[in-house]
Amino acid sequence: NAGVTQTPKFRILKIGQSMTLQCTQDMNHNYMYWYRQDPGMGLKLIYYSVGAGITDKGEVPNGYNVSRSTTEDFPLRLELAAPSQTSVYFCASGSGEAFFGQGTRLTVV
Amino acid sequence: TQLLEQSPQFLSIQEGENLTVYCNSSSVFSSLQWYRQEPGEGPVLLVTVVTGGEVKKLKRLTFQFGDARKDSSLHITAAQPGDTGLYLCAGREETSYDKVIFGPGTSLSVIP
Repeated sequence: NAGVTQTPKFRILKIGQSMTLQCTQDMNHNYMYWYRQDPGMGLKLIYYSVGAGITDKGEVPNGYNVSRSTTEDFPLRLELAAPSQTSVYFCASGSGEAFFGQGTRLTVV
Repeated sequence: TQLLEQSPQFLSIQEGENLTVYCNSSSVFSSLQWYRQEPGEGPVLLVTVVTGGEVKKLKRLTFQFGDARKDSSLHITAAQPGDTGLYLCAGREETSYDKVIFGPGTSLSVIP
């Protein structure tokens, strides 16, 4: 069972670079979420989606963009990477129970 | 400001002791969940509570949802080293059902 798959697992970016964090789920969930987790902290909601074509901002959306063209995929885009975006990023799907991917550890230098 | 507050932030106890972790908010939640997260991994769901006053048990873990659905507690009986981890509460606000918001977590360390 694949569940929620995130790629890449690790990435180092230079300030000002851009990248896309990929997230795919094979459970046919309508709800998908992106969170960031700073060291020793809980998860902060960046963006979420309640279905294909529908996205909305969470608690900390600035500096990020998302799209949801299919039920399966929910990529997160960083346009101009900043050191403050150094974090671990988790994608999740599900409406009742949330299933999480393994995370992407991003460092911006 | 944090929508969901958790206390304590850190807890270090000896194996065999009991402990309680709290999750509080000024908002009403339609459901509340508890997760455990181990280093380098994503959170894993332990339980979901939906009814005010609801109590659920999972082996040595007891979860309670407050009557007003604004708070919850997690009680662990006779803690084991395998219980070590970050415990996160998360909830769906009654007025914003689609969002799942997390608390800051309680980091538990059980010493053998």
